[in-house]
Amino acid sequence: GESVGLHLPTLSVQEGDNSIINCAYSNSASDYFIWYKQESGKGPQFIIDIRSNMDKRQGQRVTVLLNKTVKHLSLQIAATQPGDSAVYFCAASRSLKAAGNKLTFGGGTRVLVKP
Amino acid sequence: DGGITQSPKYLFRKEGQNVTLSCEQNLNHDAMYWYRQDPGQGLRLIYYSQIVNDFQKGDIAEGYSVSREKKESFPLTVTSAQKNPTAFYLCASSMRERVYEQYFGPGTRLTVT
Repeated sequence: GESVGLHLPTLSVQEGDNSIINCAYSNSASDYFIWYKQESGKGPQFIIDIRSNMDKRQGQRVTVLLNKTVKHLSLQIAATQPGDSAVYFCAASRSLKAAGNKLTFGGGTRVLVKP
Repeated sequence: DGGITQSPKYLFRKEGQNVTLSCEQNLNHDAMYWYRQDPGQGLRLIYYSQIVNDFQKGDIAEGYSVSREKKESFPLTVTSAQKNPTAFYLCASSMRERVYEQYFGPGTRLTVT
């Protein structure tokens, strides 16, 4: 089966600095990788996804990097703001054609933004 | 205003009672999911449904049951057989071909004493 894990449970970052959140996965058959943000007391919110045939994808202030060789992905947040304080989850999904397609979530990294 | 709703936000029950958590979506999504989240941990999949009248067990289905009689609704019943039911329960939905982009409800915090 798939397992997805985050390297650090908590990341403290100064406002305005860049944040880097790391994640490792185990199943080389995983085809999609996704980052979610969860604010306190709320449901997770989709941030960005990347497919296994890419190694980098950029969004608004966020960049996801995928290294399939070492089964590692990261989320970079540029110029971190107080509103970025949340728990960030990475998740992996197998190919859409695979039976029982579903997401496997990692444990989450809490990002604390210091003023 | 499209979205996914869960009710109630907080729910308290006595041990030995079954309880049903509501999840409704008006996003016209075929797929719906139930997750459980324990403090400081990630999400674990309980059940999911890719189409009406069909659903599959996730990783921790024991002690839970679901139904999918309507596209918009996917209620979860936490039965008395669930040994440790106190948790934060999250419902999500997605287009069937975009399982990686799930939309989550606000969650229901269930406390069983």
